[in-house]
Amino acid sequence: DAGITQSPRYKITETGRQVTLMCHQTWSHSYMFWYRQDLGHGLRLIYYSAAADITDKGEVPDGYVVSRSKTENFPLTLESATRSQTSVYFCASSESGKPMYNIQYFGAGTRLSVL
Amino acid sequence: SQKIEQNSEALNIQEGKTATLTCNYTNYSPAYLQWYRQDPGRGPVFLLLIRENEKEKRKERLKVTFDTTLKQSLFHITASQPADSATYLCALVGVDSSYKLIFGSGTRLLVRP
Repeated sequence: DAGITQSPRYKITETGRQVTLMCHQTWSHSYMFWYRQDLGHGLRLIYYSAAADITDKGEVPDGYVVSRSKTENFPLTLESATRSQTSVYFCASSESGKPMYNIQYFGAGTRLSVL
Repeated sequence: SQKIEQNSEALNIQEGKTATLTCNYTNYSPAYLQWYRQDPGRGPVFLLLIRENEKEKRKERLKVTFDTTLKQSLFHITASQPADSATYLCALVGVDSSYKLIFGSGTRLLVRP
């Protein structure tokens, strides 16, 4: 199906384990984003990518790694999961970086619990 | 630091009434402002975008205003319906970082039948 898909939808892991959250979009959008959403904080940007092989840090990048070898995929890796990384993670994409066209399309989210 | 504030308390209104949600910001001069809707267990969905030189934008039952002097945006839903119950997020777009959005924490709207 067309759109932006995230997997898995739910994940439980233990402290110290490596976890990778997947994001795939079928629109060939240039820009992709990873956010985390926590109560009281709203959506906070972790990393973003303007194109394949171009990534940059957002507001809360510590403990996370991203890559973008192909336009359509933007995986997020927690190298050594901590309890503070328990959250709902959203991937989003945007066709353009120009302000009036920067409408972001979100996936359904991954609910991650770190025990 | 840049700050966006939305009322954390849920807005509870009767069906048919107009819902008005507020988004205030400080230490920021956004060129554009967006509103998104988020349903439980789902990702946000884009609703409307308004530019700094636009006072008002409408789409069907939705209306957004943007007052750069007050540093405030109001989001109105007229003739509200129970299906409008959701969390509404405002997001600011800066001229210098146009590809990044800064989101408010959202206001939950409950429309009673």
